[in-house]
Amino acid sequence: KQEVTQIPAALSVPEGENLVLNCSFTDSAIYNLQWFRQDPGKGLTSLLLIQSSQREQTSGRLNASLDKSSGRSTLYIAASQPGDSATYLCAVKTSYDKVIFGPGTSLSVIP
Amino acid sequence: EAGVAQSPRYKIIEKRQSVAFWCNPISGHATLYWYQQILGQGPKLLIQFQNNGVVDDSQLPKDRFSAERLKGVDSTLKIQPAKLEDSAVYLCASRGQGTGNEQFFGPGTRLTVL
Repeated sequence: KQEVTQIPAALSVPEGENLVLNCSFTDSAIYNLQWFRQDPGKGLTSLLLIQSSQREQTSGRLNASLDKSSGRSTLYIAASQPGDSATYLCAVKTSYDKVIFGPGTSLSVIP
Repeated sequence: EAGVAQSPRYKIIEKRQSVAFWCNPISGHATLYWYQQILGQGPKLLIQFQNNGVVDDSQLPKDRFSAERLKGVDSTLKIQPAKLEDSAVYLCASRGQGTGNEQFFGPGTRLTVL
């Protein structure tokens, strides 16, 4: 059974710092992995989608990597800004077309 | 293109009452998902539709929850009767072909059961 975990559960950093969020999954047979951002009281906004054949994806200050063999993905945020404060969730899509979410990392960027 | 629409945005009911949520996916998206997100947790899939057929409803509490997607477009999720533990945000998402299998989410409906 696929399980997705995210560490840390919460993170507080000063503005301008580079940071890494971690996502781990137990079954490496995934179809893709997607990172989302969720603002309080809002739905999920897709940030990056990495197909199983890819190693990383980049969008602006965000870079996501995928290592299927070790069951890990990282989301790198460069030069963090207060507007980056949100909860970040990763989700894996299994070969059986199931999407399983991690519990999220709550990020707070302090001005 | 317009995003995924959901209504209502907020709903407060008493336990044992019934409630229904509505979702309109992105036009042309064949796959529709309903998720339940309890405070502090990631979303949990309740049901997945492919057009108007159910692909996965293994985590749907079928004794009280039901969902339908008539004509393969809009969908409704119903809870009858509601329990206190049903308090959560109910998220609808859709996915089309040729979009990298990316899911697009609606704003969610926040349900409070008193």
